[in-house]
Amino acid sequence: EDKVVQSPLSLVVHEGDTVTLNCSYEVTNFRSLLWYKQEKKAPTFLFMLTSSGIEKKSGRLSSILDKKELFSILNITATQTGDSAVYLCAVEATGTASKLTFGTGTRLQVTL
Amino acid sequence: SAVISQKPSRDICQRGTSLTIQCQVDSQVTMMFWYRQQPGQSLTLIATANQGSEATYESGFVIDKFPISRPNLTFSTLTVSNMSPEDSSIYLCSAWDRANYGYTFGSGTRLTVV
Repeated sequence: EDKVVQSPLSLVVHEGDTVTLNCSYEVTNFRSLLWYKQEKKAPTFLFMLTSSGIEKKSGRLSSILDKKELFSILNITATQTGDSAVYLCAVEATGTASKLTFGTGTRLQVTL
Repeated sequence: SAVISQKPSRDICQRGTSLTIQCQVDSQVTMMFWYRQQPGQSLTLIATANQGSEATYESGFVIDKFPISRPNLTFSTLTVSNMSPEDSSIYLCSAWDRANYGYTFGSGTRLTVV
């Protein structure tokens, strides 16, 4: 059974701090790893990673995948209160009709 | 990427009743999925909605409890039947948009069963 584990479960930081969120996975026939931000109900897409060692970057957010060690990190620099959300990691496997297996999420709270 | 309209946004229902949730996609998509997110939990896949055939359910979910329809490539419904308080969750539909190689989620339905 595919498994995705995220750490930490929750995190409280001050505005301006840098945070690193972790995601490890065990999946048969890995295809991709995805990061989502969930503020209310609907997760919004952040990154899709398929290749090791290639950093994806969008503004203050960046992510990288290590397919050998089976993990990914999501970095957020110069955090803002608007970054407060649950960050979800999901993996997609080949041959599974494109369905995703999600981790439990990391709840990030950014305080003033 | 595809945009999904999901409704209702929220509902409070009596136990023993049923609720049907609808998702409309603004373009044809290959795959659609239904997820459940129980309070404090992550997303769990209920089923894959197959166009023109019966949905494919994950372990622990059955058609009698969660009947799904997908009459075409832009629309799907999920019914939560004979509801109990344990069914109180956020329900999300998702689409695999092959043209843009991405997954998109609907806005979610927050269901409370009393």
